[in-house]
Amino acid sequence: GDSVTQMEGPVTLSEEAFLTINCTYTATGYPSLFWYVQYPGEGLQLLLKATKADDKGSNKGFEATYRKETTSFHLEKGSVQVSDSAVYFCALSDYRNSGNTPLVFGKGTRLSVIA
Amino acid sequence: GAVVSQHPSWVICKSGTSVKIECRSLDFQATTMFWYRQFPKQSLMLMATSNEGSKATYEQGVEKDKFLINHASLTLSTLTVTSAHPEDSSFYICSARPSVGTDTQYFGPGTRLTVL
Repeated sequence: GDSVTQMEGPVTLSEEAFLTINCTYTATGYPSLFWYVQYPGEGLQLLLKATKADDKGSNKGFEATYRKETTSFHLEKGSVQVSDSAVYFCALSDYRNSGNTPLVFGKGTRLSVIA
Repeated sequence: GAVVSQHPSWVICKSGTSVKIECRSLDFQATTMFWYRQFPKQSLMLMATSNEGSKATYEQGVEKDKFLINHASLTLSTLTVTSAHPEDSSFYICSARPSVGTDTQYFGPGTRLTVL
């Protein structure tokens, strides 16, 4: 079945450092790809998404490019802030196969940014 | 737009009681909603898929008689934890997918359940 693998955390960075969180996927269909962010004690917020190969999703300085050839969707940010400290989840949805298909999540990567 | 609410945001109950958690899509209709459970520092575990007007589809290992799901309208799904026990203490999160035009799921803020 479909699966998502993302790098294990925790990741600790200094403020203004460059961030990469790796995410790769396996899917039988042609999925949409997502990054969600979860701040402490809260639900998940959609950070960005991409629906087809070579699409780049971006939001709040974060970017990820849908790479079909490497089945990857790595999250990057050029300069992290303390407020970016959260857990980041990579996910895919093979919605086109079925409207009831749930998201498939990676295990999450905890990011801590220190001043 | 695309806001999902949950109520309550936290609840403490005694062992043996039942607790109902509501999930509402505030500004869109959602034929399908999903219920997840999350343990501390872990990823989300899908419990069930809730479809408006029909029975929920439960994931393997999730007791349907313990976790009752009702999706009575296009904007409301409820999860009832029946005869709750301390091991049911967890963070429960719902998500909703708009009925039309997108494969994005929008998540509620979660409900923290503590069973004493």
